[in-house]
Amino acid sequence: DAGVIQSPRHEVTEMGQEVTLRCKPISGHNSLFWYRQTMMRGLELLIYFNNNVPIDDSGMPEDRFSAKMPNASFSTLKIQPSEPRDSAVYFCASSLTGGISDTQYFGPGTRLTVL
Amino acid sequence: AQKITQTQPGMFVQEKEAVTLDCTYDTSDPSYGLFWYKQPSSGEMIFLIYQGSYDQQNATEGRYSLNFQKARKSANLVISASQLGDSAMYFCAMRESFNFGNEKLTFGTGTRLTIIP
Repeated sequence: DAGVIQSPRHEVTEMGQEVTLRCKPISGHNSLFWYRQTMMRGLELLIYFNNNVPIDDSGMPEDRFSAKMPNASFSTLKIQPSEPRDSAVYFCASSLTGGISDTQYFGPGTRLTVL
Repeated sequence: AQKITQTQPGMFVQEKEAVTLDCTYDTSDPSYGLFWYKQPSSGEMIFLIYQGSYDQQNATEGRYSLNFQKARKSANLVISASQLGDSAMYFCAMRESFNFGNEKLTFGTGTRLTIIP
């Protein structure tokens, strides 16, 4: 079975450019999560979708960040304009229902470097 | 207050020895779930084991077991017979039920485990 798929795996861009990260959750999973991992702040939840609807975006750092889930099999995280402090590994994760015992399965991550 | 506390930033363990990674949590919710993830140097996050707050027995998955002490609010991960491939970062995480409809995981800061041959 295919796991969570993320693309690209690595992205290097210059400050001010638009960056789009993509995620395909595990088929049949109804919940999707975007995380950011940095050395300073650890693993932070950015936004959480359930049945394609954003439930909690309180972790989105600022208006430069936006996320969409147009259908059950695809989500994007966009940063516009990008800044050097956005450099991090961005993970997408999905789970079946989002319940207490529901395991989140992570994608391989996208390593973003903003110069 | 930190919801998940992992007090060991780094640990060095001899191969084949057992290792315990500490995790304490803070919640007033009677229903919650505790998870452990492994992050090797390649970067992916790998689910290891789950413990529910109402589970009567400690969870086990192969060489992994969870030493769940509810009164102490601790959920330590025990790895038996450690192997070189166990070298990685290990994260403890919790989900609380009173966030119904918003069941997000809260992660600890992690413990970097290094297995010495």
